[in-house]
Amino acid sequence: SQQGEEDPQALSIQEGENATMNCSYKTSINNLQWYRQNSGRGLVHLILIRSNEREKHSGRLRVTLDTSKKSSSLLITASRAADTASYFCATDAKETSGSRLTFGEGTQLTVNP
Amino acid sequence: DGGITQSPKYLFRKEGQNVTLSCEQNLNHDAMYWYRQDPGQGLRLIYYSQIVNDFQKGDIAEGYSVSREKKESFPLTVTSAQKNPTAFYLCASSGGRLLSGNTIYFGEGSWLTVV
Repeated sequence: SQQGEEDPQALSIQEGENATMNCSYKTSINNLQWYRQNSGRGLVHLILIRSNEREKHSGRLRVTLDTSKKSSSLLITASRAADTASYFCATDAKETSGSRLTFGEGTQLTVNP
Repeated sequence: DGGITQSPKYLFRKEGQNVTLSCEQNLNHDAMYWYRQDPGQGLRLIYYSQIVNDFQKGDIAEGYSVSREKKESFPLTVTSAQKNPTAFYLCASSGGRLLSGNTIYFGEGSWLTVV
């Protein structure tokens, strides 16, 4: 089953601008994570937010979580060309007792120099 | 260096053949996972294993098989029963229960193409 759905599917911005990506999910979760994937590579973990947290920061990344709306957003501030990648949200659903992550379809971010 | 090694990076399969993708980790992680990714798509879970000698089906297990005889190894066999196996396959591992806030570490992936 597809738990997370990101929007937009694709986002193109200029260097220095902020990029916002959204993720919606369907069931109750323990936590939500964001991952980054460069083309043809494995995924790299960016940030994790627990279900009892509302906002978290890590460097230029800011993640919010609204469990009442079952949604999360990832904000990348002052974007750089090197931020060009696909970004995925992943949920750890309570119904699976923390045994697996379910990934969304991803947002393809292009940062133009 | 610690990490997850997948091999081969590129693999070609003829119709009717079984092929095995290798995944080895030296992170001493208990849990291991196999995901499939089609072009421009998200990841779909094939199989996962929380402990040696035990594994569970994911969302798209049909046509695939796995084994977990050693903690560090979790090979995936794509059988001839998998009718559309052309995809990017990602192996991953985790050091503990995800609900405890553990994250997943990924290998660099293997491209499988049917010829």
